[in-house]
Amino acid sequence: DAGVTQSPTHLIKTRGQQVTLRCSPKSGHDTVSWYQQALGQGPQFIFQYYEEEERQRGNFPDRFSGHQFPNYSSELNVNALLLGDSALYLCASSTGDNGGYNEQFFGPGTRLTVL
Amino acid sequence: AQSVTQLDSQVPVFEEAPVELRCNYSSSVSVYLFWYVQYPNQGLQLLLKYLSGSTLVKGINGFEAEFNKSQTSFHLRKPSVHISDTAEYFCAVSPRSNDYKLSFGAGTTVTVRA
Repeated sequence: DAGVTQSPTHLIKTRGQQVTLRCSPKSGHDTVSWYQQALGQGPQFIFQYYEEEERQRGNFPDRFSGHQFPNYSSELNVNALLLGDSALYLCASSTGDNGGYNEQFFGPGTRLTVL
Repeated sequence: AQSVTQLDSQVPVFEEAPVELRCNYSSSVSVYLFWYVQYPNQGLQLLLKYLSGSTLVKGINGFEAEFNKSQTSFHLRKPSVHISDTAEYFCAVSPRSNDYKLSFGAGTTVTVRA
């Protein structure tokens, strides 16, 4: 059983460009969350997708947007890249809302460098 | 809103010695509590979690943590570390409600030396 997969593993962009990161959830999971981990910091919640809708959003500007597809995979898009967007982007998947705790399983991340 | 403070940014420790990583949290609602480990160039792996019940929680790789509600703490311990325990450790919380995000601390780097 494949776990959470992310692509690409590394990416280099220049300021002002746009980037798309991809995530495939663990088998049986229907919920995808995205986190940004800057160097030397803990992950920060960007947003979560469930049933192809953004269910919750953290304190990130509108330059950060996402999408979830019918097969539950997800994309994170970042427009007008800034140097400060350089980070490890982590995707986590979980099962849907059953009223209790749903463990989030993390992928290996995509390392984005903005020059 | 929730916040997590990891009191030690770096913890050097000798092999086979005990280690304790300290975590305090702040929240206006009840929370679930977690410890994650991150090895170099990898994602996060769940070490252990506190959902309810006994305040002493045992996890993988010989780690355990104790939830102290009055002190709002969730410290992680291991009685004897190995070289392979060298990694970054993150404490995290999430609300016991329809709020699905994990809030993480800044992390503690554990370096185990022979």
